[in-house]
Amino acid sequence: GAGVSQSPSNKVTEKGKDVELRCDPISGHTALYWYRQSLGQGLEFLIYFQGNSAPDKSGLPSDRFSAERTGGSVSTLTIQRTQQEDSAVYLCASSLAQGTRSNNEQFFGPGTRLTVL
Amino acid sequence: EDKVVQSPLSLVVHEGDTVTLNCSYEVTNFRSLLWYKQEKKAPTFLFMLTSSGIEKKSGRLSSILDKKELFSILNITATQTGDSAVYLCAVKGGTSYGKLTFGQGTILTVHP
Repeated sequence: GAGVSQSPSNKVTEKGKDVELRCDPISGHTALYWYRQSLGQGLEFLIYFQGNSAPDKSGLPSDRFSAERTGGSVSTLTIQRTQQEDSAVYLCASSLAQGTRSNNEQFFGPGTRLTVL
Repeated sequence: EDKVVQSPLSLVVHEGDTVTLNCSYEVTNFRSLLWYKQEKKAPTFLFMLTSSGIEKKSGRLSSILDKKELFSILNITATQTGDSAVYLCAVKGGTSYGKLTFGQGTILTVHP
């Protein structure tokens, strides 16, 4: 399995509950990204990790959303006190390092479909 | 704020037709433009374009970038039913080396 993997593939939760979504990037990829895709919409950037640098959190929609990346590999996106508008497909991607002299494509995982009842 | 607009939003053709998908963008400090194909779940990478006027080609698909007019096109010749998908355009720029800003996508349906 050389691709990006995500779990669970589907998650149904009740409003107000916390959820955790997991992403395993491609081995050797130092950059990891989270996006979400609401029904009929394009992908919306959430957060970007690059090696040991501080993550770019500029896309997180509220303080209920957080993400961490342990050991430079696996990442977890946590949504606290879920709301119905959080229902979407959450996509993770990884790539080789990005920087002023590198411009590497992002490879996406299959996503986690989150439904908040 | 970075912005990507794709057109048309949807397109229905028959097998064998040629299609052209459009992507226009506004972004500060442009770095690259990417095309992805999304069938059911994971978007799959098609092309990354960084220089104007240089066509990238893969089989029946090709793409070109115009950095002066701020747009890109994706061409698919001799379409097949397997080309049915959502085609996503994204740009990288601004102050982030990683963030992609996506358009809303073009839904392509190819009938036999």
